[in-house]
Amino acid sequence: SQQGEEDPQALSIQEGENATMNCSYKTSINNLQWYRQNSGRGLVHLILIRSNEREKHSGRLRVTLDTSKKSSSLLITASRAADTASYFCATEGSNDYKLSFGAGTTVTVRA
Amino acid sequence: EPEVTQTPSHQVTQMGQEVILRCVPISNHLYFYWYRQILGQKVEFLVSFYNNEISEKSEIFDDQFSVERPDGSNFTLKIRSTKLEDSAMYFCASSLQGRTGELFFGEGSRLTVL
Repeated sequence: SQQGEEDPQALSIQEGENATMNCSYKTSINNLQWYRQNSGRGLVHLILIRSNEREKHSGRLRVTLDTSKKSSSLLITASRAADTASYFCATEGSNDYKLSFGAGTTVTVRA
Repeated sequence: EPEVTQTPSHQVTQMGQEVILRCVPISNHLYFYWYRQILGQKVEFLVSFYNNEISEKSEIFDDQFSVERPDGSNFTLKIRSTKLEDSAMYFCASSLQGRTGELFFGEGSRLTVL
């Protein structure tokens, strides 16, 4: 299976702290994407990193990709209560026409 | 801002009944997808659709499932004879690019099979 697997499954932090979550996958990819899901809502695209990129930033988000280790990390800096959500990594395999999602990391930011 | 819309937001049905979930993708998008998420679990790929045909489907997408783009705007998922295990949130998504593009998701249709 191409699916990414996130770690940890759940994370609880204080407002203002940084949140880091990791994603591992199994086969070669075209790109890796991170999505956010608020409880009971649809998924919202956060950031896409291509297989030839190593790091990408978007606002308070920083994503890294290590294709040799088949892993990625998402860092949310200076977290806010509104960042409370589930975060999913999704991979597009080299021979796929779909994104495969992991099980997600549930992040709770305490005010 | 353009968005993907899904109807109904919640449907309750009896086991064995047919269900049709509807989606209106973003108007200039060309690639369409259905995913499902059983409560609190991972988001599972069902099917991708381009140029009026299925591009790829998962093992979940068996003969009980079908997709259609009947009129150039709607994209539907039909489950012919629902089972208890079909209870889930079904998400429609669309993208402008078939590969290396971001997916835009609807808010989902919650299906409850009794």
